[in-house]
Amino acid sequence: DTEVTQTPKHLVMGMTNKKSLKCEQHMGHRAMYWYKQKAKKPPELMFVYSYEKLSINESVPSRFSPECPNSSLLNLHLHALQPEDSALYLCASSQVRENEQYFGPGTRLTVT
Amino acid sequence: GQNIDQPTEMTATEGAIVQINCTYQTSGFNGLFWYQQHAGEAPTFLSYNVLDGLEEKGRFSSFLSRSKGYSYLLLKELQMKDSASYLCAVRAYLTTYSGNTPLVFGKGTRLSVIA
Repeated sequence: DTEVTQTPKHLVMGMTNKKSLKCEQHMGHRAMYWYKQKAKKPPELMFVYSYEKLSINESVPSRFSPECPNSSLLNLHLHALQPEDSALYLCASSQVRENEQYFGPGTRLTVT
Repeated sequence: GQNIDQPTEMTATEGAIVQINCTYQTSGFNGLFWYQQHAGEAPTFLSYNVLDGLEEKGRFSSFLSRSKGYSYLLLKELQMKDSASYLCAVRAYLTTYSGNTPLVFGKGTRLSVIA
């Protein structure tokens, strides 16, 4: 299994809602990542987990809260988002010191 | 700081060869990656260079010169399905206690292949 899965594929939420994005991989990777990608822009790193511990937080606002409940799952909890947070949210995984990151298909988020 | 530059857009003809350049200035260097991303889809891995020279993989080749902070992706025998964005990404050194060094992406080059 060389796949990273993400749910949901699309999400529309209001600014007062609370929602969660989910990411799963079964490749035994111990590093998992959240990226945010706006249209026609490259992916921007948000968070990195290594061995289920948060190792990098790229100054992301607290309305985004990551969680890594086990080595296969990565969640991103969303609360009180702004319309400018609308974007494609990509999850990726890799071995901790390996070269290739495998990306999931992304969740397209729209904040109204 | 991290700075990765690549052309915004390129157009090439089906069957031709195209070279997409990437220059970088980063705090440390631990490898350069090329990803392909079709509109609305996730990036997919194309190539990886950590030593100087050319890596060939079918119709795709990637070159690296660390002393010049320069790489290129060469696509041969272009096909219409090669129309996509091509992302150059550098694995730079960031301060982490885990030793993990995630990727820093360039803005991407949108390649259009025309008949």
